[in-house]
Amino acid sequence: QVQLLESGPGLVKPSQTLSLTCTVSGGSISSANYWSWIRQHPGKGLEWIGYIFSTENTYYNPSLESRVTIAVDTSKNQFSLKVRSVTGADTAVYYCARNGDFTPFEYWGLGTLVTVSS
Amino acid sequence: QSVLTQPPSVSGAPGQRVTISCTGSSSNIGAGYDVHWYRQLPGTAPKLLIYGDSNRPSGVPDRFSGSRSGSSASLAITGLQPEDEADYYCQSFDRTMSGSVFGGGTKVTVL
Repeated sequence: QVQLLESGPGLVKPSQTLSLTCTVSGGSISSANYWSWIRQHPGKGLEWIGYIFSTENTYYNPSLESRVTIAVDTSKNQFSLKVRSVTGADTAVYYCARNGDFTPFEYWGLGTLVTVSS
Repeated sequence: QSVLTQPPSVSGAPGQRVTISCTGSSSNIGAGYDVHWYRQLPGTAPKLLIYGDSNRPSGVPDRFSGSRSGSSASLAITGLQPEDEADYYCQSFDRTMSGSVFGGGTKVTVL
C-alpha cells in the first residue's frame, strides 16, 4: 500500500521560501506516476499546485508557476515543493498526492498546515 | 474562483437522494476528460469516491454513483445516511492549464 507523508516547517515568514517534502513508502518514486502537490486554504476548496513525472518533467498551475518548483530525490524516495516569496495568501494545508496520466489522485498524504506570518 | 462549478451546499433527510452538479467547459469536462469525485471529512485528506466519471473504488458503497453529460458531471447519493455529511469535490483535467482542476466543493448536510 502506497503511503505519502508531508514534512516541513509549519511557520514561514513573509517573503521567504516555503519548503515541504513528501516521503513515499510502499512504492518507488521512479515509477510511472505523477507526484503532485495540492493545497487547501483555510475553509476553502482544493487547488492543484503542480506535479512532476518521470523524475524531471514538471507542470505547474499557471497562477503559481513563477514561484513554484517541484523536484524529486530518488535516493530518498521523496519529492519536494518550494514556493518562493510567500505571503499570507499562501497559508494553507498542503497535501502531496499520487496520480497518473489523466487518472485520479488515488493516494494522498495527511496534509500539513503551513502558516505564513511574521 | 474554481474552474469547475459546484453548488456550495445540498441537504436531504436520511434515506433521501441528493445530487451534486459539477459544471465545466470545453477545455476540461466538455473536452472529454474524465471526472473524479472525492469526499473530505473535517480535518482529513480528501478520499477518492468516484473515478473515470462513474467507477467506484473498492469499498465505496453503491449508494454513490457518478454520471456526465456534455460539459457537466453529477454525483448522486441515494439512501442518504448521517455519515454522508462531508465536503465533496469534483476534479478533472484542463487542457488550457495542462493540469488538474477542482470544483469549489459542496457541503452535504443530512437533516
